[in-house]
Amino acid sequence: GQQLNQSPQSMFIQEGEDVSMNCTSSSIFNTWLWYKQDPGEGPVLLIALYKAGELTSNGRLTAQFGITRKDSFLNISASIPSDVGIYFCAGQRDSGYSTLTFGKGTMLLVSP
Amino acid sequence: ETGVTQSPTHLIKTRGQQVTLRCSSQSGHNTVSWYQQALGQGPQFIFQYYREEENGRGNFPPRFSGLQFPNYSSELNVNALELDDSALYLCASRLEAGNSPLHFGNGTRLTVT
Repeated sequence: GQQLNQSPQSMFIQEGEDVSMNCTSSSIFNTWLWYKQDPGEGPVLLIALYKAGELTSNGRLTAQFGITRKDSFLNISASIPSDVGIYFCAGQRDSGYSTLTFGKGTMLLVSP
Repeated sequence: ETGVTQSPTHLIKTRGQQVTLRCSSQSGHNTVSWYQQALGQGPQFIFQYYREEENGRGNFPPRFSGLQFPNYSSELNVNALELDDSALYLCASRLEAGNSPLHFGNGTRLTVT
C-alpha cells in the first residue's frame, strides 16, 4: 500500500540537541498528523494540523503543514531521553473518513 | 491512555486457521478503524466502520472482515491465515464529526506459524 516518504529513517542524538524530521507526499492531504510509538504500544497523537501553512506547537514539539499540502515537518527542541521512540507522520484526505496514510517512521535515539 | 482497549495482546496461530481480534472504542466514539502494522513499517489501513456499517476499505482481501456492535465495540476477523498476516493489528476510534483525530489502542501482536 501507499506510504508517505519520511526522513530520516533513524537519528541518534545527544540529550539537549534539537531534532527535525519531515514527510513528503506526491499527492495532497487536507490534514497532517504526527504520532509517536513506543515499543509494545500503539501510536499516540502528538500534533494535528488542519490548514496549509499552519504552524502548531505542543510543548517542545513544533510541526508545520506545508503550503503545497504535500509535506510536513516536526521539530523537537532540547531533546530528552524519554523522546526515544518511532515518530510517524500521517496524512488524511477527507475529515469524514478515518483513512490515514502513514510514513515508515523515524526512529529517534537519545543519548543521555 | 487513549481509552481504546484491544484483546488479546498477543496471539499465535497456525497457517490456515481463523482469528478474531477485539476492540473496545473510547467512550462516545462511533467510528472505528483497523490498521495492520508489519515490522518496520507504518500502519496500513484495513477498513473503517461507522454505526455498524463498513464505510471504507483499504487494499486487503475479503478474508479480512469486521463487525461493529451497537455499543461501538468492534471485531476484526481474518480467515485462512497466511504467514504474511503476522503483524501488529491496531484498532483506532474517533468521534464522527469534524476534524477529531484517530486514537489508537496498543494493538494485538499476531504471529502466524
